[in-house]
Amino acid sequence: AQSVTQLDSQVPVFEEAPVELRCNYSSSVSVYLFWYVQYPNQGLQLLLKYLSGSTLVESINGFEAEFNKSQTSFHLRKPSVHISDTAEYFCAVSDRDSNYQLIWGAGTKLIIKP
Amino acid sequence: DADVTQTPRNRITKTGKRIMLECSQTKGHDRMYWYRQDPGLGLRLIYYSFDVKDINKGEISDGYSVSRQAQAKFSLSLESAIPNQTALYFCATSDRDSPNYGYTFGSGTRLTVV
Repeated sequence: AQSVTQLDSQVPVFEEAPVELRCNYSSSVSVYLFWYVQYPNQGLQLLLKYLSGSTLVESINGFEAEFNKSQTSFHLRKPSVHISDTAEYFCAVSDRDSNYQLIWGAGTKLIIKP
Repeated sequence: DADVTQTPRNRITKTGKRIMLECSQTKGHDRMYWYRQDPGLGLRLIYYSFDVKDINKGEISDGYSVSRQAQAKFSLSLESAIPNQTALYFCATSDRDSPNYGYTFGSGTRLTVV
């Protein structure tokens, strides 16, 4: 069965510094990959997704993630973070075996230090 | 109006009381889900429904029940609330015809059982 690992529960980073949030999944057969963001006191919003095609996907607010099939990873990156990026970030995976239900990582809190 | 609406947004209830959390959606999606979120534990699936007549238990269904009153409505009930059911509850939907496109979430219900 598919599983998702987000190794870091919290990532502190200074404002304007780059950041990488790591996500690894267990099975690489025809997966669909997602990053969701949860801002304080809000619900989850889709940040970006990989369905097929280019392995590098981007969001409208400067985040990007790269699908790496050989390493079964989908790490989220941003070259320069802002205080408004403070949030919890969840990685999720779906595949046909899970009937396209999302399998979730435990989440990573991004803490921006001024 | 939001695509997925949860009511109430916040609720405090006493141990032993029955409580219902409601979810309605205007997405036209067939699939609906109930999750609870606890700090450090990420999202855990309580129940899910792929259509009005198809309801399934998730990983933590004990102590909960659901009702799918219509395609657009999916309610979660706590028959006899207990303090360890204090959590943030989310409803989500997905499209049967594009199941790999991910989920749309409501804003959540913060439930406190005292």
